[in-house]
Amino acid sequence: NAGVTQTPKFQVLKTGQSMTLQCAQDMNHEYMSWYRQDPGMGLRLIHYSVGAGITDQGEVPNGYNVSRSTTEDFPLRLLSAAPSQTSVYFCASRTVNTEAFFGQGTRLTVV
Amino acid sequence: AQTVTQSQPEMSVQEAETVTLSCTYDTSESDYYLFWYKQPPSRQMILVIRQEAYKQQNATENRFSVNFQKAAKSFSLKISDSQLGDAAMYFCAYTSPSGTYKYIFGTGTRLKVLA
Repeated sequence: NAGVTQTPKFQVLKTGQSMTLQCAQDMNHEYMSWYRQDPGMGLRLIHYSVGAGITDQGEVPNGYNVSRSTTEDFPLRLLSAAPSQTSVYFCASRTVNTEAFFGQGTRLTVV
Repeated sequence: AQTVTQSQPEMSVQEAETVTLSCTYDTSESDYYLFWYKQPPSRQMILVIRQEAYKQQNATENRFSVNFQKAAKSFSLKISDSQLGDAAMYFCAYTSPSGTYKYIFGTGTRLKVLA
């Protein structure tokens, strides 16, 4: 049982580059979300999804794009990376009756 | 809007002693869930304990217990018999059905365990 698989674990980007963070879960969870973690600020919600084909913005959505074509996958796209997007990113999934399960996180550095 | 506040950026505890981490939250909802997550240096988010708002009994998981004061909107975590492996960042989190089960996190408390 893999749970939530998030890749890559580390990434360095140059300003202006684009990339996709991958997230997959094998627990058939309806809810999936992306958070970013910055020192002293906890985890903040970027985007979330309540099911395939349904996404919505969270607290800090600017500069990010998501889609949910299947229940299992919820990729996060950085359209044009900026140094302000240097952070640790977490993908999470859950169903109504469970707590959130998190991926291992991606440490992204934008130079 | 709901908020979660952790007012202790850092705490220290002697090995084998007891420590309490504080969390307060603000909400107008009656149906919600509260969680404590542990984040060790590996970065993995690990669930420590969960509490359903409708349950009056405080949740307990081995050495970890909570003091859930619904009227005061307080949700503190007590760690008994602290161990070196308890050293980590601890996050308090809130979620609710009306909020589409989005999580709202506090800013975290870094716990140091002294040998």
